[in-house]
Amino acid sequence: DIVMTQTPLSSPVTLGQPASISCRSSQSLVHSDGNTYLSWLQQRPGQPPRLLIYKISNRFSGVPDRFSGSGAGTDFTLKISRVEAEDVGVYYCMQATQFPLTFGQGTKVEIK
Amino acid sequence: QVQLVQSGAEVKKPGASVKVSCKASGYTFTSYYMHWVRQAPGQGLEWMGIINPSGGSTSYAQKFQGRVTMTRDTSTSTVYMELSSLRSEDTAVYYCGSGPNAFDIWGQGTMVTVSS
Repeated sequence: DIVMTQTPLSSPVTLGQPASISCRSSQSLVHSDGNTYLSWLQQRPGQPPRLLIYKISNRFSGVPDRFSGSGAGTDFTLKISRVEAEDVGVYYCMQATQFPLTFGQGTKVEIK
Repeated sequence: QVQLVQSGAEVKKPGASVKVSCKASGYTFTSYYMHWVRQAPGQGLEWMGIINPSGGSTSYAQKFQGRVTMTRDTSTSTVYMELSSLRSEDTAVYYCGSGPNAFDIWGQGTMVTVSS
């Protein structure tokens, strides 16, 4: 199975300041079709997760442009340019390149 | 609108089975695979398996092989996830998810509590 490792596991951030989460996979996430199926999910307290970013850097419908994804191969990053109160929650990276799909441990973003 | 609506919370005794449903609406049911993911209290996300609503083929995570069965009913646009031989460690919220990017849409979650 592909192991997804996120850092940090907790990220206290000041409102309006940037935040960054890293995700590393135990093997390349490049699929044989040429795509890299790395997604980022946000889970607000008490809610189901929701898709933020797919295929490394594509923002899902309705996701604010302060969220951006980057990376390649085995190293990926989610950035929030200016954290807002509604961004509080847990963020997961997820790979769908190979079965079983696997998730990172989650990074808790909270306001200082 | 596009949505997945899951069945309500369940309380089961150890050794029993549970069957959770996930009804799709607002899109063509057979267009996208359906995934099942679970989340134990205070824990992260764990993928359980996938079903193709079109042909019914499935693929399960090794951990759940032999205990999980995913089925679908195209007449009602509903997929089902049945987990048997329940133990306390199966207490979790169970989610269905679907879409062209695997998890574009999520169900609201179904809490399954296993307790004697």
